[in-house]
Amino acid sequence: DGGITQSPKYLFRKEGQNVTLSCEQNLNHDAMYWYRQDPGQGLRLIYYSQIVNDFQKGDIAEGYSVSREKKESFPLTVTSAQKNPTAFYLCASSNPGLQPQHFGDGTRLSIL
Amino acid sequence: GQQLNQSPQSMFIQEGEDVSMNCTSSSIFNTWLWYKQEPGEGPVLLIALYKAGELTSNGRLTAQFGITRKDSFLNISASIPSDVGIYFCAGSISSGSARQLTFGSGTQLTVLP
Repeated sequence: DGGITQSPKYLFRKEGQNVTLSCEQNLNHDAMYWYRQDPGQGLRLIYYSQIVNDFQKGDIAEGYSVSREKKESFPLTVTSAQKNPTAFYLCASSNPGLQPQHFGDGTRLSIL
Repeated sequence: GQQLNQSPQSMFIQEGEDVSMNCTSSSIFNTWLWYKQEPGEGPVLLIALYKAGELTSNGRLTAQFGITRKDSFLNISASIPSDVGIYFCAGSISSGSARQLTFGSGTQLTVLP
């Protein structure tokens, strides 16, 4: 079955450490997105990519970085510059011209 | 940026009852989306609305795109236990750009047996 796979499901970060969240899709979608979700809040856009080797900052990009070397993959790095990284991170993908309709099951990041 | 006000924040209803939730915006949107999220999972798209006044159904779910283009509602009829979850609205001023997608804060639905 086609879908979006996020890994790991749970991740723990130490102070001053960078961590990378994986997102892989086999839906042949051109566009991919990263959102952050905090309790009681809606999803906020971190980064998005509409094509390989291109990506754009979303509303809360500070402290995060991404790469898009392959169509299927869009990893997110949470850097030590992100002072409040504890959250649920969601990856999504879509075809051009459509809203993100397919989400992965998320990665929950916590601080040790 | 755009602000989306989703209400109610939470609902406790008896199985079999109908449910209604809505979103209002300070800006005009040209797309409204409704998602459902269950614990530990990603949101799943329920209904997409692309035209002012549009009324769309998906089984027991019905959603409408407000005429003013600043609001949308979602109704669930004859609720069942598996309707439990968080329902999000999302709006966009562009049909093609995720950059403009704004999410409401969600409605937590609990269905009591």
